Amino acid sequence: DAGITQSPRHKVTETGTPVTLRCHQTENHRYMYWYRQDPGHGLRLIHYSYGVKDTDKGEVSDGYSVSRSKTEDFLLTLESATSSQTSVYFCAISEGGTGRSKQFFGPGTRLTVL
Amino acid sequence: AQTVTQSQPEMSVQEAETVTLSCTYDTSESDYYLFWYKQPPSRQMILVIRQEAYKQQNATENRFSVNFQKAAKSFSLKISDSQLGDAAMYFCAYRSTNYNDMRFGAGTRLTVKP
Repeated sequence: DAGITQSPRHKVTETGTPVTLRCHQTENHRYMYWYRQDPGHGLRLIHYSYGVKDTDKGEVSDGYSVSRSKTEDFLLTLESATSSQTSVYFCAISEGGTGRSKQFFGPGTRLTVL
Repeated sequence: AQTVTQSQPEMSVQEAETVTLSCTYDTSESDYYLFWYKQPPSRQMILVIRQEAYKQQNATENRFSVNFQKAAKSFSLKISDSQLGDAAMYFCAYRSTNYNDMRFGAGTRLTVKP
């Protein structure tokens, strides 16, 4: 299994509070991704990173920001959480940035915004 | 933008029997990659099989095989000799050769009956 951890694994927070989710990898892969999973939608890409301090938006980036100061860590921040951001969040990594490279997923973080 | 459609929200199969999960996609690209991921109750996303669009031969991984019909934009997953451990959500996914975006279908929940 790819060395990917996510923290926290579960979080309950209130509307309007800031939340940061962390993804940590031990594989030294260049590319890292944040997805959210909602019923009826599968997984949707929020943001991704193609190197330290290099990030770009995905399909559903509104309300989210990311940072990557080290190869091994990719942070997802909800500046002011809303109930629509209640979801399961997955981090993924890949060695390359195209379909030639497989993506490996972390265990997920269940976030509930009350 | 590419879209992935899984028209079967739920499927069931008898243990030891064969089941086929359907997936269609929409793209204007000629080169891309298709994936099937399995998500058991643990929530872990597990790569089951991958197909490269430029390869005519259908991918096979042990009891799992695909029927890739490029002209029809169809990518079905066949599970032979179904086992209780195959029970999970299955997601079909599309990834461009040139871009970082990976699109997922909404998923099919597979139940295996003993």
